[in-house]
Amino acid sequence: NAGVTQTPKFRILKIGQSMTLQCTQDMNHNYMYWYRQDPGMGLKLIYYSVGAGITDKGEVPNGYNVSRSTTEDFPLRLELAAPSQTSVYFCASSYKYRDSGELFFGEGSRLTVL
Amino acid sequence: TQLLEQSPQFLSIQEGENLTVYCNSSSVFSSLQWYRQEPGEGPVLLVTVVTGGEVKKLKRLTFQFGDARKDSSLHITAAQPGDTGLYLCAGARGGSNYKLTFGKGTLLTVNP
Repeated sequence: NAGVTQTPKFRILKIGQSMTLQCTQDMNHNYMYWYRQDPGMGLKLIYYSVGAGITDKGEVPNGYNVSRSTTEDFPLRLELAAPSQTSVYFCASSYKYRDSGELFFGEGSRLTVL
Repeated sequence: TQLLEQSPQFLSIQEGENLTVYCNSSSVFSSLQWYRQEPGEGPVLLVTVVTGGEVKKLKRLTFQFGDARKDSSLHITAAQPGDTGLYLCAGARGGSNYKLTFGKGTLLTVNP
């Protein structure tokens, strides 16, 4: 049972380059999320999706874009990478159950922008 | 503005000691979750508390949700090196319950 799979695990970008972080889940979860984690700052929500074809902004969406064409996949696109986007990115999914939907996280993608 | 304040930020103790970490807010949450994150991994859910005053036990870990549903604590009895990790609390608010707000975390190190 793979759960949430993220690729790549590590990536170095030059300022101004673009890239896509891939995320796929095999649990048939409707809800998917992208978070970034900076040292000592906890997790900040970038974008989320409540189902295929539906996405919305989180706390820190600037510089990122997402799409959700299938239930399984939720890629995160970085356009014109900046040093401020150096971070660890986590994709997560959940099957909402009442008010306490557990988040299942991938292993993270460590991105460095130089 | 940080909705969820966790304290302490860092905690280093010896094996066998007891400890408590806190998660506080001025906002009311419909539910609160605790996650543990190990280096190089994503967070993993430990527990969800939903009812004010609720206490849940998970082996040596005891979780409490405040009566007013604004705060929570995690108590670990007889800590072991395997308890080392980043402990994150996350709160869900009302109708936006699929968007969790995370605290900054408590980094716990248990030395053998």
